[in-house]
This record gives sequence, C-alpha cells and structure tokens, in this order.
Amino acid sequence: DVKVTQSSRYLVKRTGEKVFLECVQDMDHENMFWYRQDPGLGLRLIYFSYDVKMKEKGDIPEGYSVSREKKERFSLILESASTNQTSMYLCASSGTGFSEQFFGPGTRLTVL
Amino acid sequence: AQSVAQPEDQVNVAEGNPLTVKCTYSVSGNPYLFWYVQYPNRGLQFLLKYITGDNLVKGSYGFEAEFNKSQTSFHLKKPSALVSDSALYFCAPRNRDDKIIFGKGTRLHILP
Repeated sequence: DVKVTQSSRYLVKRTGEKVFLECVQDMDHENMFWYRQDPGLGLRLIYFSYDVKMKEKGDIPEGYSVSREKKERFSLILESASTNQTSMYLCASSGTGFSEQFFGPGTRLTVL
Repeated sequence: AQSVAQPEDQVNVAEGNPLTVKCTYSVSGNPYLFWYVQYPNRGLQFLLKYITGDNLVKGSYGFEAEFNKSQTSFHLKKPSALVSDSALYFCAPRNRDDKIIFGKGTRLHILP
C-alpha cells in the first residue's frame, strides 16, 4: 500500500522561529510537492521537486525553502515563521508521466 | 495561463439521488484532468483521471466524470449518492508542459 507520511499532524510555533516540515514517501516516486491549503483558496503549490537535489518554485514560494537530499524525503522550511503562514500543509508525491499524486495526511501549522 | 473553476462552493443532495459536481477548465493543448476527494480530517485521495480515450471515465467509490472538450468541462457524477460521499472535492487540470492546478473545491453534503 502506497504511503506518504508527514512528520507532524499538528504543530504550534512562535513568530520568527525556524520550522521544518518533513515528508517521506515509500513509492520510489520521482516527483514530490508541497502545498498549502486554506479555506476558500483550495490548494496552492509552494515548491516541487522532480529529482534529488532539484527544486522548482510553485505559485507561492515566498517565505519558504525546500530540501531534497534523498529521493524519498522532501522537507519544507519556514526560515522565519509568520502568522500568515498559519495553514494546513500537504505533501504529495507522484510517478512519471501523468500519474496521480498521493498525498500525506497534512500538517496543521499554527504560528502565534 | 491555465485555470480551473468549480462554480459551486457547496452542493447539497439527498441520499439516493444522483449528484453532479461541476468543473470547467482552461488549458492550452490537450488537457489532462483529475478529481480528488478530501474526507474530514484526512489528506486528499485520487478519485479518477482523464488522459485520453473514452470521454466517460470511471473511478473509485462509484464516481465517474465526463470530459466535454467543446464545453471545456469535466463534471464529476454519481448515480446514487451516499451519506459517506460527503466530503470536499477538487478538480485539477494540467497540460503537457505545465503543473497541475487545483480548483478551490466544492463541499458536497449528502442529506440522509
């Protein structure tokens, strides 16, 4: 059974803290994605990666960075958390071609 | 630029009745179209996709979707709704050279 796991379901941080969100997939997928989900806005792509050590900006990369040192792991980093980054963060992975994406359960991040 | 519209924020259907969740899109070239579902407090799950071939696509949980090229639509349908179908549904188109984008979502309420 395919699986995408995220390091935390719930996270509370303070403004200015550095935050790491980790995502691991066990499907040997090339592609990995980070989204944020906000009510009424749907899913917005933050960053994605097509291969190890590769990264591409999505639609809303400002205030975020990513790291992909191993194929199975894709980390999202908030260098200095702000209250407007309070959101649900979803990680996904997919194979090549037009494969569907497999999503993790999400991390609900609250920045105080 | 590609775009997607889910014109209804919420759809209410009585259990046992047919349901339709609407989606229209704008992409350059041939579209590749996906539907995802998010059950309460869960990550997104893939429902079905259209890549090529038959315009009527069948997916998980008895759902199907019809690709209509002239109307640029990909409406999600089910002949007989179940209370357990209550969830948030996302339409997600992409074209060959671009990223997938997600609609804002339609909340489906199935009334017992």
